[in-house]
Amino acid sequence: SQKIEQNSEALNIQEGKTATLTCNYTNYSPAYLQWYRQDPGRGPVFLLLIRENEKEKRKERLKVTFDTTLKQSLFHITASQPADSATYLCAPGGSSNTGKLIFGQGTTLQVKP
Amino acid sequence: DGGITQSPKYLFRKEGQNVTLSCEQNLNHDAMYWYRQDPGQGLRLIYYSQIVNDFQKGDIAEGYSVSREKKESFPLTVTSAQKNPTAFYLCASRSKAGGAGELFFGEGSRLTVL
Repeated sequence: SQKIEQNSEALNIQEGKTATLTCNYTNYSPAYLQWYRQDPGRGPVFLLLIRENEKEKRKERLKVTFDTTLKQSLFHITASQPADSATYLCAPGGSSNTGKLIFGQGTTLQVKP
Repeated sequence: DGGITQSPKYLFRKEGQNVTLSCEQNLNHDAMYWYRQDPGQGLRLIYYSQIVNDFQKGDIAEGYSVSREKKESFPLTVTSAQKNPTAFYLCASRSKAGGAGELFFGEGSRLTVL
């Protein structure tokens, strides 16, 4: 069955450093991968989309890579700020066009001032 | 404002009772989704609907039921058959089910079984 794995342990980093979060998937060939941010008690908010034919995507301080050979996506936040503290979820999707979208368990990022 | 509205935000239920969570969207989206989230866990897909009068089971559909009689509405019923219903429930929608469009989420409904 399809499996998505994200770092289960919280990631603690110092303000100003780069945070790198990992999303691995197995038994799956997604056509795209989405990243979301979730704050406690709130619904997730979409951040970035990367397609299978794209190696890298950037948006302001965010960068996402997509390696279909390794079956992995990396999510980077540069010059991190305490306001970036949240849980980040990845969601690989597509390929069979069924419309189903499943999520990894998320990685909690804590940026310390 | 366009968006997704879930209600109620908090709900308490006695064991053996069915409860229905409301989800309404005014984004004119075709596809709608229900997810369950347990503490410290990710989102697990319960049901999704790609178009009116059609829906499919997700990974954890047992003990839940849905309907999609109108484009803007996708209510979720948590039945007494759901063994562990206490959780945070999230509704989402996107323009088309079969594309790469982003999901728009509601603010969630927190169900507690007493």
